[in-house]
Amino acid sequence: DAGVIQSPRHEVTEMGQEVTLRCKPISGHNSLFWYRQTMMRGLELLIYFNNNVPIDDSGMPEDRFSAKMPNASFSTLKIQPSEPRDSAVYFCASILSGTGVTGELFFGEGSRLTVL
Amino acid sequence: GNSVTQMEGPVTLSEEAFLTINCTYTATGYPSLFWYVQYPGEGLQLLLKATKADDKGSNKGFEATYRKETTSFHLEKGSVQVSDSAVYFCALTQGGSEKLVFGKGTKLTVNP
Repeated sequence: DAGVIQSPRHEVTEMGQEVTLRCKPISGHNSLFWYRQTMMRGLELLIYFNNNVPIDDSGMPEDRFSAKMPNASFSTLKIQPSEPRDSAVYFCASILSGTGVTGELFFGEGSRLTVL
Repeated sequence: GNSVTQMEGPVTLSEEAFLTINCTYTATGYPSLFWYVQYPGEGLQLLLKATKADDKGSNKGFEATYRKETTSFHLEKGSVQVSDSAVYFCALTQGGSEKLVFGKGTKLTVNP
């Protein structure tokens, strides 16, 4: 069975450009998470969705960041305009919620973003 | 708020050495505790977990015991292999939430 699929794996862009990261969760999973990983701050939860609805976006750093989940099999994280400090690895993860088993997230391989 | 503190790395060991990576947590109530592993170039994957005090999680020769009295969940392995080289993350969830709070990670390198 396919895991969580993220694209692109690597993105290099210039400051000010729009960046869109994509995620396809595991089929049947109903919760999706976006994390950001940096050396300085470690893993930070940006936002998570349950049944396509944003539940907690308190980790979204600022208005330049936005996330959508138009259906159960697709989500995007957009940065507009991008800045060098946004350089990081962005992970998407999914889980089947409501089973009583918490915390066992399935992660994608990440999208490494470099903003010059 | 909830938080996780891990020992700072990097940790470098020789093959067959004993491994301990310390993890302590701050949380109200009774969190569930996890260790995740990230191999080079990959996403995180669950290594083991424990959901209540005195539970021991184990997998692939790794173990960790949920110690409520010391608010700890230290990761141990008796004999590490080169293939165990990775970054290890301690994490918690609480109150039935799916939100994982991670420690900063500890990089382990095992040399032949």
